[in-house]
Amino acid sequence: GAVVSQHPSWVICKSGTSVKIECRSLDFQATTMFWYRQFPKQSLMLMATSNEGSKATYEQGVEKDKFLINHASLTLSTLTVTSAHPEDSSFYICSAWGGYSSYEQYFGPGTRLTVT
Amino acid sequence: AQSVAQPEDQVKVAEGNPLTVKCTYSVSGNPYLFWYVQYPNRGLQFLLKYITGDNLVKGSYGFEAEFNKSQTSFHLKKPSALVSDSALYFCAVRDVEAAGNKLTFGGGTRVLVKP
Repeated sequence: GAVVSQHPSWVICKSGTSVKIECRSLDFQATTMFWYRQFPKQSLMLMATSNEGSKATYEQGVEKDKFLINHASLTLSTLTVTSAHPEDSSFYICSAWGGYSSYEQYFGPGTRLTVT
Repeated sequence: AQSVAQPEDQVKVAEGNPLTVKCTYSVSGNPYLFWYVQYPNRGLQFLLKYITGDNLVKGSYGFEAEFNKSQTSFHLKKPSALVSDSALYFCAVRDVEAAGNKLTFGGGTRVLVKP
């Protein structure tokens, strides 16, 4: 149980276009979802926290107009990278909280974004 | 504020030898502590957690970790490493008294187990 999926697993887009990444909790309701960004050989950097039905809370330095987060239901959160540029290329990982255990976050498999 | 330090970027061990990955933390209140493993181009897999109770925590795939409050450490251990344990390991902390459920991750330690 406590499975989190992400779609797509990888995406290539052209500079200036927008890309949407979906994060779903498959067998539990996630009251909170988190979006992380990971650069090669580096740790996870928390970008934002989203609670179902409310606006996301962004970490300092993360552009909210560039990284649009929507948490419309208890099982789905989306991250849209708007007007993507090559420097947005990264590995994006979501996690969900509110499953069988209230302590741990359950992580998705990640999405590799490459902007050309 | 909460923080995590993993002092070693890489750990190399021979298969069959004990494996230790170090982690120290800093929180204002009491900690919840976690270890995750990441294989290339994959998300994080949960290994184990310390919430309360026994300081020695046993987790998945034969891993265990010991919570040491006085040394603010939560080192990950495995008595006999396997080649398949080669991966990137992350320690994470959450301050129990802090609002929300934010995790702070260490920088990661790459484990290489040689046959």
